Amino acid sequence: EDQVTQSPEALRLQEGESSSLNCSYTVSGLRGLFWYRQDPGKGPEFLFTLYSAGEEKEKERLKATLTKKESFLHITAPKPEDSATYLCAVQARAGANNLFFGTGTRLTVIP
Amino acid sequence: DTAVSQTPKYLVTQMGNDKSIKCEQNLGHDTMYWYKQDSKKFLKIMFSYNNKELIINETVPNRFSPKSPDKAHLNLHINSLELGDSAVYFCASSQVAGGPITGELFFGEGSRLTVL
Repeated sequence: EDQVTQSPEALRLQEGESSSLNCSYTVSGLRGLFWYRQDPGKGPEFLFTLYSAGEEKEKERLKATLTKKESFLHITAPKPEDSATYLCAVQARAGANNLFFGTGTRLTVIP
Repeated sequence: DTAVSQTPKYLVTQMGNDKSIKCEQNLGHDTMYWYKQDSKKFLKIMFSYNNKELIINETVPNRFSPKSPDKAHLNLHINSLELGDSAVYFCASSQVAGGPITGELFFGEGSRLTVL
């Protein structure tokens, strides 16, 4: 069965304190792994797609990486506006055209 | 301009009632989805329509009935509401239904349903 596990569940960082969020996955053939950001009371907002192990994507202070078993979302020198829940999702090669989401990491960046 | 809009944003209702949530997208996408997010933030697919045709129907009670009058609209009607239906329901759309997928779903702001 496809499974996505994100850790930690919650993370508090001081402004400027870099860290990484983890997304471990088990799927029957990975078609793609996706990162989304969700602010309170809002819908998820797309950040990145990663297709194969070794791939990296960057956007401002965020960098996503992918291995055969997990993905990391690295946050460099975070700012308070980076506070949000970060969701990881996978699409299985053999599955229907939908994304299977993890439960997210709630990031709080303290000024 | 809001890309994916849902109404209403909040619904509070009694058990046993029927309610509907409406969704519209102005992105010109062919595929629309309904996702349910529970209190633990777990986001799960319920339905997907491609150009008005149902292509995904996960294990959802048949009290839930989606309707797509055209490819820009996807509504969700829920009959005989139960306490466990309380959740946030998100509508989403994407450009590509099959083949190479960018994974980019565009979500609405959600409709928070509370069943008392």
